[in-house]
Amino acid sequence: AQSVTQPDIHITVSEGASLELRCNYSYGATPYLFWYVQSPGQGLQLLLKYFSGDTLVQGIKGFEAEFKRSQSSFNLRKPSVHWSDAAEYFCAVGPAGAGSYQLTFGKGTKLSVIP
Amino acid sequence: GAGVSQSPSNKVTEKGKDVELRCDPISGHTALYWYRQSLGQGLEFLIYFQGNSAPDKSGLPSDRFSAERTGGSVSTLTIQRTQQEDSAVYLCASTGGPGETQYFGPGTRLLVL
Repeated sequence: AQSVTQPDIHITVSEGASLELRCNYSYGATPYLFWYVQSPGQGLQLLLKYFSGDTLVQGIKGFEAEFKRSQSSFNLRKPSVHWSDAAEYFCAVGPAGAGSYQLTFGKGTKLSVIP
Repeated sequence: GAGVSQSPSNKVTEKGKDVELRCDPISGHTALYWYRQSLGQGLEFLIYFQGNSAPDKSGLPSDRFSAERTGGSVSTLTIQRTQQEDSAVYLCASTGGPGETQYFGPGTRLLVL
């Protein structure tokens, strides 16, 4: 069965500092990979996705992520964090084949930003 | 509509009562998903609809949970005889087809007293 691990439950960074959120997945084939962000009381907003092709994907709000097959990772990065980036971030994997394409989510990483 | 909408946004109910949660997907989206977000549990898949049929109900936690979709659009998730452990945020997502990006609604926050 597929699974997603986000090893960091909570990360605190200073505004302007760089950010990397870790995501490791377990899946038998090449998956679809996603990063979503959830602000308090809000639904999930898609930041970026990887389906195929270039392993470095760009997303909204200045985020990027790199798919590394050898490490089964899809880490999210941002060069300079803004206070408005404080939120919870979820990595998700979906099966790239027949089926319901349900997403399996990690438990999330909560990001706090110090002004 | 412009995005996925869900109602009510908040629901407080007493243990043992039935509740209905509604999801309006993005117009034209054929696939619809329900997820549950519990404190400390992350997001868990509940059920998937393609059109009006539900080929994957594998995530429904018990037979107290059911869902339907009519007209290939609106979906209702029903929880019968609610229990305190049902308290969670219930999220709905829709896509234009299987394998495409899922767009989420704001969720319904359910509290069972």
